[in-house]
Amino acid sequence: GNSVTQMEGPVTLSEEAFLTINCTYTATGYPSLFWYVQYPGEGLQLLLKATKADDKGSNKGFEATYRKETTSFHLEKGSVQVSDSAVYFCALSPGLIFGTGTRLQVFP
Amino acid sequence: GAGVSQSPSNKVTEKGKDVELRCDPISGHTALYWYRQSLGQGLEFLIYFQGNSAPDKSGLPSDRFSAERTGGSVSTLTIQRTQQEDSAVYLCASSLDGGAGETQYFGPGTRLLVL
Repeated sequence: GNSVTQMEGPVTLSEEAFLTINCTYTATGYPSLFWYVQYPGEGLQLLLKATKADDKGSNKGFEATYRKETTSFHLEKGSVQVSDSAVYFCALSPGLIFGTGTRLQVFP
Repeated sequence: GAGVSQSPSNKVTEKGKDVELRCDPISGHTALYWYRQSLGQGLEFLIYFQGNSAPDKSGLPSDRFSAERTGGSVSTLTIQRTQQEDSAVYLCASSLDGGAGETQYFGPGTRLLVL
């Protein structure tokens, strides 16, 4: 069946550091790929998505490119901020099938 | 407009009791999803409703779990004879028509604690 694997956290970075959170997937057909974010005390919300191969999703300085050849959708940001501290979930649809989440902690 | 709402926000119950969790999706959204978020684990798909189609119940963990959606809007997730391992945050989401690339909008969740 379909599945998502993402790197375990927590990921601890200093402000302005470069961020990568790895995500790979297993799926039949052509899934859509998502990153959702859960800020402390808040509900899950969409960060970005890509619906076909080679698409790049971007939002709030975050980017992820749908790589069918490597079945990956890694999340990147060039310069993280303290306010980016949250739990990040990679997911694919149909459904949504979620990864286990990666906690990011950014320190000033 | 209003987002997805869920009630109650918190529920404490005794083992063996039944509980009902409610979800009000965004108006006009035909697709509705239930997920469970357990401590230390990821989000687990439970059930999916799309319009008048038969629901996809493939994620329900046991026959103690059931859900219905009345009038294509409000949904209720029922857990019978609750067990301690049912303790989790139960999340509801809705999307416009359930297309694979659609954004799902999540409610704040119901935190269930079974003593």
